[in-house]
Amino acid sequence: DGGITQSPKYLFRKEGQNVTLSCEQNLNHDAMYWYRQDPGQGLRLIYYSQIVNDFQKGDIAEGYSVSREKKESFPLTVTSAQKNPTAFYLCASSIHGVRGTGELFFGEGSRLTVL
Amino acid sequence: GIQVEQSPPDLILQEGANSTLRCNFSDSVNNLQWFHQNPWGQLINLFYIPSGTKQNGRLSATTVATERYSLLYISSSQTTDSGVYFCAVSEAAGNKLTFGGGTRVLVKP
Repeated sequence: DGGITQSPKYLFRKEGQNVTLSCEQNLNHDAMYWYRQDPGQGLRLIYYSQIVNDFQKGDIAEGYSVSREKKESFPLTVTSAQKNPTAFYLCASSIHGVRGTGELFFGEGSRLTVL
Repeated sequence: GIQVEQSPPDLILQEGANSTLRCNFSDSVNNLQWFHQNPWGQLINLFYIPSGTKQNGRLSATTVATERYSLLYISSSQTTDSGVYFCAVSEAAGNKLTFGGGTRVLVKP
């Protein structure tokens, strides 16, 4: 089945450690996105990529990094510079890249807890 | 950037009741979507509706782009409709979705 796969679903890390969240899609979508959700809040955009080897900062990029080496993959690294990394992270994709956002589809999310 | 406001923030319904959720946005948009987030956190697409009216079963949505708002109607609500409903928009020249704060819906049996 086509879809967006995020892993791991749950992750615990100690303060000061970097952690990488995986996002893979087999929908042949050009654009991919990372959002962060805090309890009781809406979603905020971290990074997005419209084509391979290119990405742009969203509204809350500080303390995060991404790469887009393959069309199917858009991993997110939460670095030790992120001061409050405990959150629910959602990856999304859409068919349109530079031509516009198009309809957005989401993975099931990854819950990161910093101990 | 574009501002998105959803109302009401919380809604409690008796099973079988109808309701209307509202999304106001501050600028012209080329994309508007409604999502339902279930209790496990999964975001489900409900409607892609930058303008006009659509219906899908007991749900329908209307976007009046010229007046910068969208409405989501839930008819004959069921307990499975509980969760958070989000509206998200993209500015006319934009390429990313901005989310509203959501409406938290609880349907009681």
